[in-house]
Amino acid sequence: AQKVTQAQTEISVVEKEDVTLDCVYETRDTTYYLFWYKQPPSGELVFLIRRNSFDEQNEISGRYSWNFQKSTSSFNFTITASQVVDSAVYFCALSGNNQGGKLIFGQGTELSVKP
Amino acid sequence: DTEVTQTPKHLVMGMTNKKSLKCEQHMGHRAMYWYKQKAKKPPELMFVYSYEKLSINESVPSRFSPECPNSSLLNLHLHALQPEDSALYLCASSQERVAGGSGETQYFGPGTRLLVL
Repeated sequence: AQKVTQAQTEISVVEKEDVTLDCVYETRDTTYYLFWYKQPPSGELVFLIRRNSFDEQNEISGRYSWNFQKSTSSFNFTITASQVVDSAVYFCALSGNNQGGKLIFGQGTELSVKP
Repeated sequence: DTEVTQTPKHLVMGMTNKKSLKCEQHMGHRAMYWYKQKAKKPPELMFVYSYEKLSINESVPSRFSPECPNSSLLNLHLHALQPEDSALYLCASSQERVAGGSGETQYFGPGTRLLVL
């Protein structure tokens, strides 16, 4: 079975703090892809990153960084020096090579960044 | 340009109405998706079209009827909805949906907020 767990339902930080959003996944597929999406209050899901199961290199994009560890089945997302505009719900998602392209979403983490 | 557009942004309808949601993409993508999202929940997949053919129907009630007139357009026809169908309806597209494959990034539109009275 495929499953994505985002244990943190809500996180609240003060602007400029660093924050890490956790994502743990389960899959029996040998090839799979992991994604992070951001959903601001407007509703649109904004694609942030895609990582395949063979590429464990960490990635940094500006204030965003991702840590992929197959050994712990985790794909965590860190925002450095958070800003109010980072306030949103963040979804981690999984797509396996035997799932026909379906995205399995975690329950989401609602991040609130206060000024 | 990764853009998926959806109309209308908001829709209020009675249980006896017939309405349609529209989605359009001009990225040359060949797979398109409808999702339903309730408040505080992740999106739930409803339908997938691949190369303009319906390839996945996640046991959605027949009061929801999808249509893919061409590779750029996706409609969702609504009829005799129930109040519990009130939700955010999201459309997405991806480059292609390879049978048995995975990994294509899905790009989402801004959604239609539907209220059924």
